[in-house]
Amino acid sequence: AQSVAQPEDQVNVAEGNPLTVKCTYSVSGNPYLFWYVQYPNRGLQFLLKYITGDNLVKGSYGFEAEFNKSQTSFHLKKPSALVSDSALYFCAVRDGSGAGSYQLTFGKGTKLSVIP
Amino acid sequence: NAGVTQTPKFQVLKTGQSMTLQCAQDMNHNSMYWYRQDPGMGLRLIYYSASEGTTDKGEVPNGYNVSRLNKREFSLRLESAAPSQTSVYFCASSEVSLPPGQRFYNSPLHFGNGTRLTVT
Repeated sequence: AQSVAQPEDQVNVAEGNPLTVKCTYSVSGNPYLFWYVQYPNRGLQFLLKYITGDNLVKGSYGFEAEFNKSQTSFHLKKPSALVSDSALYFCAVRDGSGAGSYQLTFGKGTKLSVIP
Repeated sequence: NAGVTQTPKFQVLKTGQSMTLQCAQDMNHNSMYWYRQDPGMGLRLIYYSASEGTTDKGEVPNGYNVSRLNKREFSLRLESAAPSQTSVYFCASSEVSLPPGQRFYNSPLHFGNGTRLTVT
């Protein structure tokens, strides 16, 4: 079975400071990892993904994520937070071993608040 | 380019009533999905359709049925609504090609804006 944990329900950061939203995962095969963002009353929007290759993945709106296989983590980062980054962030995983289904398992979400 | 369109945006039902949530995508995607989002529980997969003509159960299928009407449309039906089905429902699609013997898992999902359903 595959699973995702986002250990923080909420993260508060001052505008201009770096931000990190944490995610750890568990899969039996190779992980395909994703980050999505949800603004109020909207659907989720894709930010970035890790499939294979470089451990540092760059995505939309200046976000990046670092894949760490030994720690089974995929933390979302941004060097300088904006107030407009305030939203709900979801980490998600698929098992890339080829034996699994199409199911994408989501974490419970982390609410990011950037304080002016 | 509308992407994924869901109707209605809001709905209030009484226990025992039925309704169908509609979803259409204009991106020519093969795969479509229905999720529900509840506070503190993230998104949970209800049903998915890997390609036109196929549907499969997800994590929480009880109380729901689906129809993949054609490549564009994937509907979700509640036959007898219950208060436990109060939730926000999201439809999504992805470009997952299905040549025989192969599957591709790295395509991101494209989501609609959701349907807020309240069952009283």
